[in-house]
Amino acid sequence: QVTLKESGPGILQPSQTLSLTCSFSGFSLSTYGMCVGWIRQSSGKGLEWLANIWWNDDKYYNPSLKNRLTISKDTSNNQAFLKITNMDTADTATYYCARRAGSWDYFDYWGQGVMVTVSS
Amino acid sequence: DIQMTQSPASLSASLGETVTIECLASEDIYDILAWYQQKPGKSPQLLIYDASSLHTGVPSRFSGSGSGTQYSLKINSLQPEDFASYYCQNGLSAPLTFGSGTKLEIK
Repeated sequence: QVTLKESGPGILQPSQTLSLTCSFSGFSLSTYGMCVGWIRQSSGKGLEWLANIWWNDDKYYNPSLKNRLTISKDTSNNQAFLKITNMDTADTATYYCARRAGSWDYFDYWGQGVMVTVSS
Repeated sequence: DIQMTQSPASLSASLGETVTIECLASEDIYDILAWYQQKPGKSPQLLIYDASSLHTGVPSRFSGSGSGTQYSLKINSLQPEDFASYYCQNGLSAPLTFGSGTKLEIK
């Protein structure tokens, strides 16, 4: 059974760095072809893909936020991470991690999401 | 970036009706398109991939079609659990992009 669960600070101030953790089970990020992505959803911008990390440590970022994003993984502990620097109120959103489905960049299993509010 | 334009933004229908949601890509995405269903307070769930392939466990009343830049999601014989929001997604090239969503409500 594949499960993913996000964790994060909940609230942070503008200019701070957001650190999110995705803890998953039912698959391994050391398996050939596996990939985990981060997607966020805000009322203002809908669903927005942020980044993907692959089993071989290849990383892909949304160019609109690329300079602020860092994705990484800890294969031995079945975790993926996302850092976003210089957070702004516009980054207030629910952040999801999800497993890439297979042959193309779809997501077949999603975490429940973690709400992140940026406020002074 | 590939823009995904979804219509309508909202849709009101009755139980048992058939509805269709459209998604227009700004360029040819060669059927590399997914549809998701999202219920309030829940994460999106994959319904259809490769434009017309049903994901495991998804009822057969859901179907997808289209090619090139134009795609659609059809739901036959609406059930109470189908009233939700639906999103299309470009899976062809980064940055991956989603439609703005269609909220399906009970009439």
